[in-house]
Amino acid sequence: AQTVTQSQPEMSVQEAETVTLSCTYDTSESDYYLFWYKQPPSRQMILVIRQEAYKQQNATENRFSVNFQKAAKSFSLKISDSQLGDAAMYFCAYRSAYSGAGSYQLTFGKGTKLSVIP
Amino acid sequence: EPEVTQTPSHQVTQMGQEVILRCVPISNHLYFYWYRQILGQKVEFLVSFYNNEISEKSEIFDDQFSVERPDGSNFTLKIRSTKLEDSAMYFCASSGGQLNSPLHFGNGTRLTVT
Repeated sequence: AQTVTQSQPEMSVQEAETVTLSCTYDTSESDYYLFWYKQPPSRQMILVIRQEAYKQQNATENRFSVNFQKAAKSFSLKISDSQLGDAAMYFCAYRSAYSGAGSYQLTFGKGTKLSVIP
Repeated sequence: EPEVTQTPSHQVTQMGQEVILRCVPISNHLYFYWYRQILGQKVEFLVSFYNNEISEKSEIFDDQFSVERPDGSNFTLKIRSTKLEDSAMYFCASSGGQLNSPLHFGNGTRLTVT
């Protein structure tokens, strides 16, 4: 079974600064997908960014980018120019590309709580 | 942009009672999911549903749980005899038919069992 580890329970960043949230995962599969989800105080789960394991290029979405190191099984999220609205729980998630059972379910890490300091 | 909707947003029930949590997935999605998040803990997979049947379920999803898609739009999670430890946030999600299709989550239903 795959596991996802987020080693930083809490992080803080000054507004307009850059912060990196770490995520590692354990899998024996060669093809998979990785996601970062944001959960603000409203508790809604919002997709931030996704990465296909077969792509070497790191995904980027505006101020959000990832550093995907496949050999190291590492998938960190970098938030540039942090804004107050970025304050939330951030969850890293893994999805297998092999879905014989017809399910594309996600395995989540425990999350990192990000605070943004004005 | 289409979104997953869940009702109610908050449900309070007494231990031993049955509850039904409702979800309307995105209309052209094919896969439907229920996840649970106990306060302060990680999001846990409960069950996935495809082609009108359960395609995968976790060990959490025992006999007290059931899912149903009673019509073309709703997707429900029933908990037959609630326990105190069922208190959690329950998220419904749906995704398209491709492997790289992300899961789109609803806003969740906060279930409180007293």
